[in-house]
Amino acid sequence: DTAVSQTPKYLVTQMGNDKSIKCEQNLGHDTMYWYKQDSKKFLKIMFSYNNKELIINETVPNRFSPKSPDKAHLNLHINSLELGDSAVYFCASSQGLSEVETQYFGPGTRLLVL
Amino acid sequence: GDSVTQMEGPVTLSEEAFLTINCTYTATGYPSLFWYVQYPGEGLQLLLKATKADDKGSNKGFEATYRKETTSFHLEKGSVQVSDSAVYFCARNGGYNKLIFGAGTRLAVHP
Repeated sequence: DTAVSQTPKYLVTQMGNDKSIKCEQNLGHDTMYWYKQDSKKFLKIMFSYNNKELIINETVPNRFSPKSPDKAHLNLHINSLELGDSAVYFCASSQGLSEVETQYFGPGTRLLVL
Repeated sequence: GDSVTQMEGPVTLSEEAFLTINCTYTATGYPSLFWYVQYPGEGLQLLLKATKADDKGSNKGFEATYRKETTSFHLEKGSVQVSDSAVYFCARNGGYNKLIFGAGTRLAVHP
């Protein structure tokens, strides 16, 4: 009955590799997000999608490509991984784009690039 | 640009002590304001929110009041427990429902 789930939970990989992180929500929400949390715990939005349409792309390198096959899924593909991509990536969802909406977060994917 | 500033941690308290974590924001207009909590090894959970000036959000003994005069949303709890140990994030809405977070404040509560 997990509301927002992410796979994998941990990802260790070499520089230069390509990897994907998957996110699914079973809340029936229209909007999904990706956030990045760095080693100092600072959280910053990367992308958001509403009804499979890209809404926010927050100056993220184009090595990062989100894909939303349907409203319940938002995956994140990363090409040519760099050391600086090491972080915790959180997926979130909300009912819609209203500014009063609560966002529900997944458990995070810890990515370590060696 | 729009931002959120929180007091730096860590904050270390004894059980049953009073907690205040300061948060101020910059914005044009009156954004919704949030406190999220992150327990060790977990994702973020909404703790409380306020969507307009003078609103008070409350949950689990925590509360925060939206003060437009001082652009603040300080988090308070009258008596903390060991189980409250976590990282607390203040956030404001930045348009299209994106959240702009403060740097987070780590709270450690000792018995």
